This record gives sequence, structure tokens and C-alpha cells, in this order.
Amino acid sequence: DAEITQSPRHKITETGRQVTLACHQTWNHNNMFWYRQDLGHGLRLIHYSYGVQDTNKGEVSDGYSVSRSNTEDLPLTLESAASSQTSVYFCASSEFGRSNTEAFFGQGTRLTVV
Amino acid sequence: AQKITQTQPGMFVQEKEAVTLDCTYDTSDPSYGLFWYKQPSSGEMIFLIYQGSYDQQNATEGRYSLNFQKARKSANLVISASQLGDSAMYFCAMREKLLGNAGNMLTFGGGTRLMVKP
Repeated sequence: DAEITQSPRHKITETGRQVTLACHQTWNHNNMFWYRQDLGHGLRLIHYSYGVQDTNKGEVSDGYSVSRSNTEDLPLTLESAASSQTSVYFCASSEFGRSNTEAFFGQGTRLTVV
Repeated sequence: AQKITQTQPGMFVQEKEAVTLDCTYDTSDPSYGLFWYKQPSSGEMIFLIYQGSYDQQNATEGRYSLNFQKARKSANLVISASQLGDSAMYFCAMREKLLGNAGNMLTFGGGTRLMVKP
């Protein structure tokens, strides 16, 4: 069965370190998204991508970067982790262009920056 | 300005009663889509229902229905016959294309926590 997986599920890192969260989907979807979820803020869009080599900033992109070198993967990098980036991160993928299907979500990554 | 607004941070409903969760949105894309997701305490995101901007009829999926009022830009979720397992966070989301962008953006509201009382 097709799926979307995130790794790691939990991560503790120190302030100032570079951290990369992985997202891999086997749906062959063009659209991929990264969100962060904090209490009181719902899911806020960090970056999104329509396809290979395409990346776009969301509403909370400062301090984050993504790259899309293939259809399956959209890794999220925190260039220099800050305590304000402690959060739960969700990756999602969808194929809105072909049919109006929902976005499928990974299980989430809980990141703690100490 | 917020693209998706959910004005009810928390709601209680009696088991077996119906409940409406509010969602308003703002977009300039004429071909947008609206979703509702459920997030139980375990954390996963569960798709509930979808409404396209050109759909003539309100979407329904089992006990879930979407009250789509296009002119008012509202897409409220109605849950009939609430069950204890419906206690969760509920998110409204919107798919839209921004001018000059090839892909779709998917943005979420702040969520409503629904608590079902026995």
C-alpha cells in the first residue's frame, strides 16, 4: 500500500545545530507540504512543493529550508535550531491536480530544541 | 488576514446530539476546495469530508455533512448523532492556487476542540 512516512518520530537537539527531518511518500504525488503544530495555532504551513525542483515558502518559513530532488522526498532542514522551533512537524502529500482527493499525512515528528 | 478562521476554540456536545463546527475562509481562487480533518489525542490526521467550490450540492459522508454557503464563504461541519469517539480536534482546511503559482497551497484553521459528554 502507498504511504507517507516521516523520520525520526522523535528528536532532541541542541540550539544552533542543523537538523533535517525526512518525509517520504510512495503515492507519486506532486504536491508535498510541511507544517508545524503548536498549541493554540493549529497547523501552520512552512514550505510546500508542487514537483521536482519546485519549492515555495509558507507563512512560517523563516529558519527552515526544503529541497525537492525527486518526487518521493521533501526533507525539511532547520539551519540553526532555536528553542522556538520546538514543535510537532507534519508532512503531507496530495494530488489535487488529477482529482480532488485529500492530503495524506505522515505520523508527525516531535522535535525538541534544548 | 487569516485565510481560514475557526471561531470556536472548544465546544461541548451531548452524546447523540448534533453539533456544528464553524469555518469561514477567504480566497481569490475561483476553483478552491475545502476539507475537514479530525485529530484525535493520538495525533494522526484523519480526513473526514471534502467540498469543491463548484460542487452544487453539500458534501455528505456518513454522519458528517458540510454546510457550504459560498456567498458567505463558510463551510461548517455538521456531525449528527455525536459519539464519545468524536471527541477530538477538528480542523478546517482550504486548497487554493495563488496567482503565478503552478501548485496548490493547503492552509488550515486554528482548530476546534470538540468534547462529547456521555
